[in-house]
This record gives sequence, C-alpha cells and structure tokens, in this order.
Amino acid sequence: EADIYQTPRYLVIGTGKKITLECSQTMGHDKMYWYQQDPGMELHLIHYSYGVNSTEKGDLSSESTVSRIRTEHFPLTLESARPSHTSQYLCASSEWVGTDTQYFGPGTRLTVL
Amino acid sequence: GENVEQHPSTLSVQEGDSAVIKCTYSDSASNYFPWYKQELGKGPQLIIDIRSNVGEKKDQRIAVTLNKTAKHFSLHITETQPEDSAVYFCAASTGGYQKVTFGTGTKLQVIP
Repeated sequence: EADIYQTPRYLVIGTGKKITLECSQTMGHDKMYWYQQDPGMELHLIHYSYGVNSTEKGDLSSESTVSRIRTEHFPLTLESARPSHTSQYLCASSEWVGTDTQYFGPGTRLTVL
Repeated sequence: GENVEQHPSTLSVQEGDSAVIKCTYSDSASNYFPWYKQELGKGPQLIIDIRSNVGEKKDQRIAVTLNKTAKHFSLHITETQPEDSAVYFCAASTGGYQKVTFGTGTKLQVIP
C-alpha cells in the first residue's frame, strides 16, 4: 500500500469558512496532484506540482490554491468555502523516472453547508 | 492534448463470468497505460499497467491488451468475484512533464 496520507478524511463546514486539506507522502515523489471527484466518478485534475516551489492549475478550474514548500507536503486551501465546493478531493503522487504510476491517498470528503 | 474515452460506464456481470472494459486514446505519443481500481471510500489503486512496446500483459485473473495502431487498450477480468465490484479507470501518459489523462470510469458490479 502506498504511503500517501490525507487529513481530514471527512469535513463538514459552514459557508465562508477557510479550510486546508492536508496531503503528505513519504515516498520522496517529486510530482503531486489534486483531483476533484464527484459522485459521477470522473477524476478532474485541479492542481499539480513537479517539485518544491512548483504549482500549476489543472484542467478543471478551481477556486482553491495549493503550495509546495516541502517535497512531501502538498496542502490545498479554500479561502471561503461554498456549497459548490462539496465534493471528494483526492491527492496523488508519482515519480519522475520510470513509470508515471500515480499513488492515491484515501481522499477527503468535503461537505459545505 | 490527450483524450481518453472509456466504455462502458456501467457493467453488470454474473459471478464467474468475464468482464471487459475498453479505452481509446488520441495521442500517438502516449506510451504508458495504467488501470486503476477504486473501491468504495478509497482512492484509486493501480492494478495493472502496460507499456507501448508490449501488446499484452497478464496478472492472474486480469489482463490488459494494447493495440497501438488502433489506439485502444482493454482490461479483461476473468472468473469475476464479488470483490471485483468497484470503479475502474484507464489512463494514458507520455511521462515527463505530461499529465496522466484518465478515462471517465466504469462501475463494475459482480452479481453473486
């Protein structure tokens, strides 16, 4: 099983609150990703990083922001949560060399009331 | 950019039957094709992958085939069991700075 962790696993929060979803990995991977997954199953890439101080926006526009100050840590922040942000958020990591296999965390289920 | 189409979106099979999920990709430069299984409440996990220099790969009850000319690849699960019930994603990648592109997912239900 991959060593990638996400906290919290579940979060219910009111509109307007600032939240940070944590993601950390102990595999030393340079590449990290955030996906948004709705009940319709499809994985939507919202942010990715190629290494420390590298962050890029993904294919799906998101009001969230990310930072990559340490290799192992890739937190996602929502400054002001809204009901439209209710979703599952999945973090993943992969290596530069070899395969592009992505290792996923267990996800954070966010509900904004 | 790369576009990956996946079919069917849902699939129900009787226990013991085979299941086949198909994907097509658009970028001929893609050279790595992983398959992920996502169980309820968990993140996707790699179950098998194939590189473009290989036409077929098998691991016990699961196998993947790749047709580079037609740009399609398939996942085959034989002797299905209830624990195979999950959502399956195909993906395509060229590696390096290119992102991995996922298919839209197939929800497989194995009926006991």
